[in-house]
Amino acid sequence: GAGVSQSPSNKVTEKGKDVELRCDPISGHTALYWYRQSLGQGLEFLIYFQGNSAPDKSGLPSDRFSAERTGGSVSTLTIQRTQQEDSAVYLCASSFQPSYEQYFGPGTRLTVT
Amino acid sequence: DAKTTQPPSMDCAEGRAANLPCNHSTISGNEYVYWYRQIHSQGPQYIIHGLKNNETNEMASLIITEDRKSSTLILPHATLRDTAVYYCIPRGNNNDMRFGAGTRLTVKP
Repeated sequence: GAGVSQSPSNKVTEKGKDVELRCDPISGHTALYWYRQSLGQGLEFLIYFQGNSAPDKSGLPSDRFSAERTGGSVSTLTIQRTQQEDSAVYLCASSFQPSYEQYFGPGTRLTVT
Repeated sequence: DAKTTQPPSMDCAEGRAANLPCNHSTISGNEYVYWYRQIHSQGPQYIIHGLKNNETNEMASLIITEDRKSSTLILPHATLRDTAVYYCIPRGNNNDMRFGAGTRLTVKP
């Protein structure tokens, strides 16, 4: 079946602009996760959704970052007033339930100029 | 969460078995051992996971020592497409997957 999809695959934006990144999880998966990966670095956890609620926002690096999930499906990660240090690959993952294995999307490469 | 130690890099000849070790000596009783890999410029890919018993699926086998302090991921017949960074991740009740540095496996013709 279809895996996790993310859009756009690449995004170049100017410093100070807002960006929205989208994630479509695997159908039927209740849990959704956002991570980011800076060049040559490991994955950094950002936020986790169970259904539409986000019980764990501990990884969001600043209040410029927010995320929502509607209908228990699609999620949007929004970064306001982007900074150059926000440049990274943003990865989304979903799992059938929170304790199950996570399946990752291909990521969105964000470049802030 | 348990800390892990993996060799930074390994080579394997195409067609041969690749055996990737992981030390997780501080693993707790409720933590599973997950293995993922990340091929260049792609998202991480789930491979296999286990708690105590050895596991096998279409991708790999996972051997966990009886004391659970270490495990080995086995790719039985490595191909060039198996070249990737492989991550061993102990995971209990936490929501996120905590990726370390992993092992960069290079499969050579």
